Amino acid sequence: QVQLVESGGGVVQPGGSLRLSCVASGFTFNNHAMHWVRQAPGKGLEWVAAISHDGSNKFHADSVTGRSTISRDNSKKTLYLQMNSLTAEDTAVYYCARDRDHLLRFFYMDIWGKGTPVTVSS
Amino acid sequence: DIQMTQSPSSVSASVGDRVTITCRASQGISNWLAWYQQKPGKAPKLLIYAASNLHGGVPSRFSGSGSGTHFTLTISSLQPEDFATYYCQQANSFPPTFGQGTKVDIK
Repeated sequence: QVQLVESGGGVVQPGGSLRLSCVASGFTFNNHAMHWVRQAPGKGLEWVAAISHDGSNKFHADSVTGRSTISRDNSKKTLYLQMNSLTAEDTAVYYCARDRDHLLRFFYMDIWGKGTPVTVSS
Repeated sequence: DIQMTQSPSSVSASVGDRVTITCRASQGISNWLAWYQQKPGKAPKLLIYAASNLHGGVPSRFSGSGSGTHFTLTISSLQPEDFATYYCQQANSFPPTFGQGTKVDIK
């Protein structure tokens, strides 16, 4: 079935780095743009980054620009989020989500993974 | 960035009730709006896209309307599985932004 499975979360010290991964199955991965969305404990949803189907276009939220990079490997059907210089404000569950479109013309996220938790703490 | 404001923040309702949630955008977004449902400890699920289009598999008791800056999500007859938090999201421009959420709980 159509599925996204995130991994790579965990506990990291302030200033540290993590690389999150999201493996897709059950659909043609390179036909879809992809997103990362996060949710801090007890809070709402915050979009983090997006990438077009072929990786040629990338967008990042101001809150992570310069510290995080979205990428994808279509041969491995995998989406990544490299996060550096982490702070307590980055503590959240990180979801990957599939876009209905391939070119990021609109941002409707129709399939979501279960999320991977990231805790930034000393 | 476009700000999305939902009201109410929470609503208590009974099974069978009609529930309406409102979402307002800080500037016009045409019909570039989605609604999501999220249950505790679970990922969000897409309910509606383009303001009024029902995503596949979503029950017809859910409906969306609106354009410009004012949008509504209506649940025509609340079912036990509908108790959850609902988010609107503008899809008009980067960055996509979400409303703060509306929690629908049991009266």
